[in-house]
This record gives sequence, structure tokens and C-alpha cells, in this order.
Amino acid sequence: NAGVTQTPKFQVLKTGQSMTLQCAQDMNHEYMSWYRQDPGMGLRLIHYSVGAGITDQGEVPNGYNVSRSTTEDFPLRLLSAAPSQTSVYFCASSYSQSSNEQFFGPGTRLTVL
Amino acid sequence: AQSVTQPDIHITVSEGASLELRCNYSYGATPYLFWYVQSPGQGLQLLLKYFSGDTLVQGIKGFEAEFKRSQSSFNLRKPSVHWSDAAEYFCAVGSSGGYQKVTFGIGTKLQVIP
Repeated sequence: NAGVTQTPKFQVLKTGQSMTLQCAQDMNHEYMSWYRQDPGMGLRLIHYSVGAGITDQGEVPNGYNVSRSTTEDFPLRLLSAAPSQTSVYFCASSYSQSSNEQFFGPGTRLTVL
Repeated sequence: AQSVTQPDIHITVSEGASLELRCNYSYGATPYLFWYVQSPGQGLQLLLKYFSGDTLVQGIKGFEAEFKRSQSSFNLRKPSVHWSDAAEYFCAVGSSGGYQKVTFGIGTKLQVIP
């Protein structure tokens, strides 16, 4: 099993550009989440999904969109990048709400100039 | 709303010394509690978790944590630290019922000196 994979590993954008961060998992997990990690702030939940076709907002959803067309994939879209979105982004998945151990991808380091 | 406080941002310990990382949580009911570790440039890995039952939980890599309801704490301990334990440690709390949104603390960075 590859676990949770994320691409790209690094990305530099200019203000106003859009892009999609990819996340995939091969563990047949129903639950998937996107977090951003900023110094001194820990991990903050952006969006999450409890299954294909179902998504909801987390703590810091503004400026980001998600969709979940398959169990495996959960892409995160930045609509119009801003310097405040410079961060490290982690995708995570978990098998069920009761177990809720989350498996994390290796992260995408995004810089917005 | 649930929250987690990790009061120590940086901790330095000597190799072979004991370690305790502090975590306090705020949650109205019985919480789900986690400790994750993040090595530089990596994602987070679960060390241990508490859902119910025995308040002393054992995890991977020789770590343990104790849930103390009266103190709203879930401190992480290791009796003898190894250089490879240098990493950042995150405490997290999840709510019971429904989709469990997990709230993370800001992390404690552990430095191990020879």
C-alpha cells in the first residue's frame, strides 16, 4: 500500500494564480481531510469529506474548494492564490469515525509570492 | 468548542533522560485524545490514542500517556529518550459522535542533546 500520497511536494505560485493540490489514498478510507500547518498554529482543518460526494468546511475554508468524486481522491483547489495561503498542506485519511486514527500524507509546501 | 494547549513550544533533553510533554484539553464530554509525532519534512504519525478504559495507554516507540480527567490532561512520557526521538509532537482532541473533527495543539519541538 502506498498509503496517502500528495502531489506536488513543492509549489511556488504568483498571487492570483489557481492550482490544485492532489491527494489520493489506497486504503479504502471513507474519511479524508485537508489541513494547513503554519508555525506556531499547529494544524488547522480546511475541508473534510465523510465519503464520496460529501464534503464540509473545517476551521479555515475560505479561498479553498474541494470535491470528492471517488473514495480514493480528494483534491484541494486554490481559486486565486494569496500570500496568506503560503503554508504546508497535509492530506489525511481515516477508516471510520470511531477509530479515527488519521494517516497523513507527506505534505505539499506551497509558497505564494 | 474543543481546544488543546501544549504549553511548551521547545524542550531540550539529554539522551537517556526521561521526557514528559504536557497537554491540556478542553472538551465538554469524554474526549478522544491523540499524540502524533512529526519528523522534519514528514507527515504526522500516530504515537498513541485514548478512547476509553485504562487511563494509561501505551504507544509505539516506547511512549506512553496518561489521561487525567480531573486535570484535563493527557501528558506524554518516555523513560529514556533516544536521539532519534528528536521531532515535533502534537497533542490532539477529537469529539465523540458523528464525524470526529480533530483539533490539534500547536506542537512541542523536542531537541535531544548527546
